[in-house]
Amino acid sequence: SQQGEEDPQALSIQEGENATMNCSYKTSINNLQWYRQNSGRGLVHLILIRSNEREKHSGRLRVTLDTSKKSSSLLITASRAADTASYFCATENTGNQFYFGTGTSLTVIP
Amino acid sequence: GAVVSQHPSWVICKSGTSVKIECRSLDFQATTMFWYRQFPKQSLMLMATSNEGSKATYEQGVEKDKFLINHASLTLSTLTVTSAHPEDSSFYICSARDLFFSGSTDTQYFGPGTRLTVL
Repeated sequence: SQQGEEDPQALSIQEGENATMNCSYKTSINNLQWYRQNSGRGLVHLILIRSNEREKHSGRLRVTLDTSKKSSSLLITASRAADTASYFCATENTGNQFYFGTGTSLTVIP
Repeated sequence: GAVVSQHPSWVICKSGTSVKIECRSLDFQATTMFWYRQFPKQSLMLMATSNEGSKATYEQGVEKDKFLINHASLTLSTLTVTSAHPEDSSFYICSARDLFFSGSTDTQYFGPGTRLTVL
């Protein structure tokens, strides 16, 4: 399976704290993307980082990519209750196929 | 931004029947569409890659005779779950790659998903 892995599987933090989730993958990639999904709903695209990039910011989101370690991290700063959701990384490989990680379930406690 | 729709959003059917799910790109042309399946509290699993005008490419372990995919136009792909059984109950999500709108092959837009329940 080309599915990546994420850790932690579940994360519970207080509002205002930062949340960090990690993603590891197996193959060479063109890019890595992070998505969020509220329970039973569709996916929301958060951020894309290309294989030649190391860090990217978007609002309260910071993504890093280490292609030598085949890993990425997503940092959400100053978390809010509305950030409660599942977060998935997804990698596009050199064959233009798209594989999702196992996901991290984030709970932000007000 | 680009929009992908799915129809129906929710379907319940009896075991043994077939169910067709449509995936449409509403304001762009999608030469490639992807179909995913997501079981409760699990991640999305890529089932198949659908290219317009050609046969779909299925991931290992996905039965092509059970999950029929048709991509007859640049804006429509269909997934038919044939002879559905309770274990096929899942959330099915499609996505479409927009080659022309942004000029970038990175962009992929996801549909809202279809929840299938097989009784």
